[in-house]
Amino acid sequence: SQTIHQWPATLVQPVGSPLSLECTVEGTSNPNLYWYRQAAGRGLQLLFYSVGIGQISSEVPQNLSASRPQDRQFILSSKKLLLSDSGFYLCAWIERPGVTDTQYFGPGTRLTVL
Amino acid sequence: AQKVTQAQTEISVVEKEDVTLDCVYETRDTTYYLFWYKQPPSGELVFLIRRNSFDEQNEISGRYSWNFQKSTSSFNFTITASQVVDSAVYFCALRAYSGAGSYQLTFGKGTKLSVIP
Repeated sequence: SQTIHQWPATLVQPVGSPLSLECTVEGTSNPNLYWYRQAAGRGLQLLFYSVGIGQISSEVPQNLSASRPQDRQFILSSKKLLLSDSGFYLCAWIERPGVTDTQYFGPGTRLTVL
Repeated sequence: AQKVTQAQTEISVVEKEDVTLDCVYETRDTTYYLFWYKQPPSGELVFLIRRNSFDEQNEISGRYSWNFQKSTSSFNFTITASQVVDSAVYFCALRAYSGAGSYQLTFGKGTKLSVIP
């Protein structure tokens, strides 16, 4: 069966520090992968998605970036964090892209920028 | 453009009451999928149901039921005999094709359900 992992689970970082969040998927190959952010207002904001290794699409301009160095690995990064980067970051993958498109979500990373 | 509206921001019910969460969507696509997710306090989004635009049959799963009506562009979710464990934020979502092989979800803003013992 498929499993999605995210780490770390929680993170407290000072403003201006770098960031690296990791997401990995097991039990599938060539998934579509997604990064979302959920701020205190509860809404889900799509940040990045990837349809394959090295292929990243950005939805919202910001100081974050994403990379996909391996088929089942998706990384969210920042060189310098801002206070506004605080939030709950969720990674998701799609089963059978173009057929059913059900997105399954990881456990999330709660980031606090101080 | 795709849009999902969950007009109810927060709902409180007493345990064992029935509750309906509303979802209204907008799309120009003739083929689309609708979804409901549950987000308990732990944070992880849990997939509940997927419905395609060609299947208007209502679905029941235990205490959960879904009413899909294309005529009103609605996909409402009813919990019967609510329990404290149903307390969560519930999201409705619509699948849109964004090109380049990617299929994105457009989410509503969520409805926070509190079930009071």
